[in-house]
Amino acid sequence: EAGVVQSPRYKIIEKKQPVAFWCNPISGHNTLYWYLQNLGQGPELLIRYENEEAVDDSQLPKDRFSAERLKGVDSTLKIQPAELGDSAVYLCASSAGGRRDTQYFGPGTRLTVL
Amino acid sequence: AQKVTQAQTEISVVEKEDVTLDCVYETRDTTYYLFWYKQPPSGELVFLIRRNSFDEQNEISGRYSWNFQKSTSSFNFTITASQVVDSAVYFCAQGAETSGSRLTFGEGTQLTVNP
Repeated sequence: EAGVVQSPRYKIIEKKQPVAFWCNPISGHNTLYWYLQNLGQGPELLIRYENEEAVDDSQLPKDRFSAERLKGVDSTLKIQPAELGDSAVYLCASSAGGRRDTQYFGPGTRLTVL
Repeated sequence: AQKVTQAQTEISVVEKEDVTLDCVYETRDTTYYLFWYKQPPSGELVFLIRRNSFDEQNEISGRYSWNFQKSTSSFNFTITASQVVDSAVYFCAQGAETSGSRLTFGEGTQLTVNP
């Protein structure tokens, strides 16, 4: 069974540019998560989707970050415009049945903002 | 609010040594979940184990074992006869009923196993 797929794996952009990350969860997983991982720290939740609905986005900086999961499968996380402090790893995870289930993570996208 | 503390920032051992990674958690929830994840240099977080608060049974999986003690709010992870491939950052994480599926991660422990 394929794991969580993310692309791109690495992205380098200049500040003020837009950037987008894509995630394909494990087949059949209804819950999808986006996490931010700064260097030397554990991941922190940005947003959680149950199917198409964003049910926990309290930690998402909505002035520059947006996310969507239009058909309840793939998801895109966008930053516009990017700032130097956005340099980090963006991790996507999925789980089968909702909030009590184990989360499985993708390889992440390492973003560098110059 | 949940809090997870991994006091060991870095550990370095020689191959075949046993090593224990400490994890202490804080929560006011009576139902909660504890996890260990491994993050090798490739970056992917690999799920290792999950423990529910109502199940204090310890577990052994090959060279890995976990010691869950509610009395001390600890969920420690031991690798027996460590190997170079065990080198990675290990994260302890906690979820709770009142926080939905938001996982609270510790800062991670960088384990280096030298040949």
